[in-house]
Amino acid sequence: GAGVSQTPSNKVTEKGKYVELRCDPISGHTALYWYRQSLGQGPEFLIYFQGTGAADDSGLPNDRFFAVRPEGSVSTLKIQRTERGDSAVYLCASSLLTSGGARDTQYFGPGTRLTVL
Amino acid sequence: AQKITQTQPGMFVQEKEAVTLDCTYDTSDPSYGLFWYKQPSSGEMIFLIYQGSYDQQNATEGRYSLNFQKARKSANLVISASQLGDSAMYFCAMRANSGYSTLTFGKGTMLLVSP
Repeated sequence: GAGVSQTPSNKVTEKGKYVELRCDPISGHTALYWYRQSLGQGPEFLIYFQGTGAADDSGLPNDRFFAVRPEGSVSTLKIQRTERGDSAVYLCASSLLTSGGARDTQYFGPGTRLTVL
Repeated sequence: AQKITQTQPGMFVQEKEAVTLDCTYDTSDPSYGLFWYKQPSSGEMIFLIYQGSYDQQNATEGRYSLNFQKARKSANLVISASQLGDSAMYFCAMRANSGYSTLTFGKGTMLLVSP
């Protein structure tokens, strides 16, 4: 079946601009996660959705970052007034369950590489 | 809180040989899951193998096996019969099973397989 998809694959923007990054999870997966991966590092958690609601947004670095999942499927990560330090790969993942165990395995999309000039 | 340590920034192996990628972890949770992901240059994180903290046997998936030593808090990945396509970054990650918990990743190990 189809995996997690993310669009765009690459996004170049200027400092101060607004960007939206989209994630389409695996069909039937109720949990959706956003991570940010800086060069040479492992992914770092940003926000997690269970259904339509953000169950945990403790990883969002500041109030310029916001994410929605209005219908419990597709999610959009929104970044306002972008800064050069926001440049990174933004990864989205989804999982079937969140109760722990093997069925909680997160499957990742190809990521969006964001470059802020 | 969880912490993952991968001490090998890079590893080299010849094709058809086996290689072990190290991973140690720290957690106060009694129940947790350990994961390994592969990230080729294309950027996508590919799930390889899962080990539950209460699993009696070490996990295996094809050429991948996880050497789980709970007392040492280590979860090393063993790749047998390396192939050129195994060249990639490898990340160890863990997740506590108590309530909601997200994945915590290590910094990764770059594996290069030579002919």
